[in-house]
Amino acid sequence: DIQMTQSPSTLSASVGDRVTITCRASQSIGNWLAWYQQKPGKAPKLLIYRASSLESGVPSRFSGSGSGTEFTLTISSLQPDDFATYYCQEYNDYARTFGQGTKVEIK
Amino acid sequence: EVQLVESGGGLVQPGGSLRLSCVASGFTFSSYSLNWVRQAPGKGLEWVSYISDSSSHIYYADSVKGRFTISRDNAENSLFLQMNSLRDEDTAVYYCSRDYPFKGGDYWGRGTLVTVSS
Repeated sequence: DIQMTQSPSTLSASVGDRVTITCRASQSIGNWLAWYQQKPGKAPKLLIYRASSLESGVPSRFSGSGSGTEFTLTISSLQPDDFATYYCQEYNDYARTFGQGTKVEIK
Repeated sequence: EVQLVESGGGLVQPGGSLRLSCVASGFTFSSYSLNWVRQAPGKGLEWVSYISDSSSHIYYADSVKGRFTISRDNAENSLFLQMNSLRDEDTAVYYCSRDYPFKGGDYWGRGTLVTVSS
């Protein structure tokens, strides 16, 4: 099975900061990668699909890039509503493995 | 409006069984694949199982293979997860999600809590 590794596990940042989260796959997954945001007690929310496509309704400060085995999620200017945990997920094969998550905390 | 509503969670003893349901509305249920994803308390997301639109393709995580069975009833717009031989480590909130082609999980339910404890 494909393994997905996110870094960092926790990130402390301030409102207005540019934030980057990395996700690495144990083998090539093309661009079959999604990013989700999850807040405590809530279901995950799809932000980015196919590595770089912005889901409808998601603010343009979110962007994704990468292909193959290395991917990034960038928040261009962190807003108060963005403090949450972010997960990558591959859907190149049937297993749809998630990364372990990155918690974005207030600095 | 797309909605997914899970039910069937609760407290069960180790070795016991539970059947989760997810009722969908607001879209053509029979046209979409679906997933079950779980989240143990304070932990990350774990994909559990996938079922294609016609049930022709079904997959499981190694951690539940042989114990859990996913199924669906397209006439009733319902997704199910039969969970047998439950273990302490199966304790989690279980979410159903719609699998949009080439996107991943675009809609999710609110989840149902399963607690396995003696």
